Amino acid sequence: EPEVTQTPSHQVTQMGQEVILRCVPISNHLYFYWYRQILGQKVEFLVSFYNNEISEKSEIFDDQFSVERPDGSNFTLKIRSTKLEDSAMYFCASRSWDGSNQPQHFGDGTRLSIL
Amino acid sequence: QKEVEQNSGPLSVPEGAIASLNCTYSDRGSQSFFWYRQYSGKSPELIMSIYSNGDQEDGRFTAQLNKASQYVSLLIRDSQPSDSATYLCAVKENYGQNFVFGPGTRLSVLP
Repeated sequence: EPEVTQTPSHQVTQMGQEVILRCVPISNHLYFYWYRQILGQKVEFLVSFYNNEISEKSEIFDDQFSVERPDGSNFTLKIRSTKLEDSAMYFCASRSWDGSNQPQHFGDGTRLSIL
Repeated sequence: QKEVEQNSGPLSVPEGAIASLNCTYSDRGSQSFFWYRQYSGKSPELIMSIYSNGDQEDGRFTAQLNKASQYVSLLIRDSQPSDSATYLCAVKENYGQNFVFGPGTRLSVLP
């Protein structure tokens, strides 16, 4: 069964450094998402992406964050200057089309640890 | 602000019992509702979707929807220790692509 893949599974970075989290969505999917989950807390929406542009973004997704789909397969989340509070699990999800009945499919996540 | 509410739990049930998980949502126009299971340290895994009022069954799982009351529930029959996880209710916004997740209910099935 097709799946969303995320790399790396764990990223350790010094505070202030840039980090890029990578995702390969399911191949025929059109909508892409990034979520964050701080340890022990709820899944929080960051951004959605469709047709090579951001559809929606949350208040969390400030100027330090950016997303890109550099080719036909990868979907990346960049954090420009990481802070301690960016430490979390980051999940990528994709969705096939804009029928309301279509669920999101999640990758296994990247655990980001900021030192 | 659109919200999805769930009791955080933990909800403890004995093995073989029925576990009942509840969710309420604020966006009255929402049409699509999803239950995800999340094991500790893992990603959310889709269990069930429901779009119409009433019950929808899939194996040991039954999702129930009441749009008038803005209420969704998940019943797990014959609960097993392997069902112990956090269950997330997700509601697709009526307009837009966003899904709003509840905080999750932690279920513990005791052998």
